[in-house]
Amino acid sequence: DTTVKQNPRYKLARVGKPVNLICSQTMNHDTMYWYQKKPNQAPKLLLFYYDKILNREADTFEKFQSSRPNNSFCSLYIGSAGLEYSAMYLCASSRLGGYAEQFFGPGTRLTVL
Amino acid sequence: QEKVQQSPESLIVPEGAMVSLNCSFSDSASQSIWWYQQHPGKGPKALISIFSNGNKKEGRLTVYLNRASLHVSLHIKDSQPSDSAVYLCAVSGGSGTYQRFGTGTKLQVVP
Repeated sequence: DTTVKQNPRYKLARVGKPVNLICSQTMNHDTMYWYQKKPNQAPKLLLFYYDKILNREADTFEKFQSSRPNNSFCSLYIGSAGLEYSAMYLCASSRLGGYAEQFFGPGTRLTVL
Repeated sequence: QEKVQQSPESLIVPEGAMVSLNCSFSDSASQSIWWYQQHPGKGPKALISIFSNGNKKEGRLTVYLNRASLHVSLHIKDSQPSDSAVYLCAVSGGSGTYQRFGTGTKLQVVP
């Protein structure tokens, strides 16, 4: 099974409220990624876990948090949503990091009002 | 930071045509280049990858990598309406821990 699951598929949030997105995979992949995708833009890497080590991009360091309680699950947490967070959030996993194929979930579409 | 640029932004071709998609990147130390296909409402799916200078063929797909010019191209032979999708180029970082993506090329194959 090469499925990556994301929940929820759609999320409506109010400005200033927290948002928590969930991703799971059963392929025993060591690396899990979160991307933000806006229309006509490239998927932007937000952060990734290599095993239990979290790596966050410098320009989004303070905007997103994450946890990986076990190998299969990874969350993306926004403490206080702003309008600029409205986007598609894609989760992916891979074995051996960036050299290998990434398996993507279907994404969560977040709308902040 | 690695920059990945794709062209064209969009492309409409008749069924059966050969399709050529381009991708340029900025880091000559990039180890691998991947092409992903994304259909509406779904996550990207890996199609083909290349690590060494030269070309690689898989079925109707051929990818060419020229490290000297920092350019990679994907060619789809005998295109089908089911090939209609967004194609994303991704380049692994020098450390190999992540991939950087381009903005994609939207392909439409009309019957």
